Amino acid sequence: AQSVTQPDIHITVSEGASLELRCNYSYGATPYLFWYVQSPGQGLQLLLKYFSGDTLVQGIKGFEAEFKRSQSSFNLRKPSVHWSDAAEYFCAVGARAAGNKLTFGGGTRVLVKP
Amino acid sequence: DADVTQTPRNRITKTGKRIMLECSQTKGHDRMYWYRQDPGLGLRLIYYSFDVKDINKGEISDGYSVSRQAQAKFSLSLESAIPNQTALYFCATGDSGANVLTFGAGSRLTVL
Repeated sequence: AQSVTQPDIHITVSEGASLELRCNYSYGATPYLFWYVQSPGQGLQLLLKYFSGDTLVQGIKGFEAEFKRSQSSFNLRKPSVHWSDAAEYFCAVGARAAGNKLTFGGGTRVLVKP
Repeated sequence: DADVTQTPRNRITKTGKRIMLECSQTKGHDRMYWYRQDPGLGLRLIYYSFDVKDINKGEISDGYSVSRQAQAKFSLSLESAIPNQTALYFCATGDSGANVLTFGAGSRLTVL
């Protein structure tokens, strides 16, 4: 069965500093990997996705993520955080063979200090 | 209008009551999903449907039922609500040709 682990429940970062959110997955085949963001009181918005090809993927809002097959990881990064990046971030794994069902990690809540 | 609309957005009910959460979509997607979000657990799949005649259980379907009334509508029912069903519920849609889900804004349910 597929699973996703986000080791950090909370991260606090200063505005302007860099951010890295960790994601480790377990899946038997080549996974499709996603990062979603949930702002307070909002639904989930897709930040970026990896299906195949270049292992460094760019997303919206200045985010990027790198797929490392050897480490079963798909970490999310942003070079300079803005106050509006305060939100909860979810990593997810899925596959077309699984009917596009996504398995989500527990989420990482990001707090941004002025 | 939103691509995926959930109603109600907030609901408070009592133990034992029947509750229905509704979802409608304008994206023309054939696949629809219901997820539940709990703090620290992320989102967990309750039920999913690949078309009107195809309904499947997810990982936590006990205590829930669904109805796919049309391609665009997928409702989730709690026949007899209990307090541990207090959660934020999300509906999502997906196209069989793509691999990205579009989520609604969520329905917050509180069972007292």
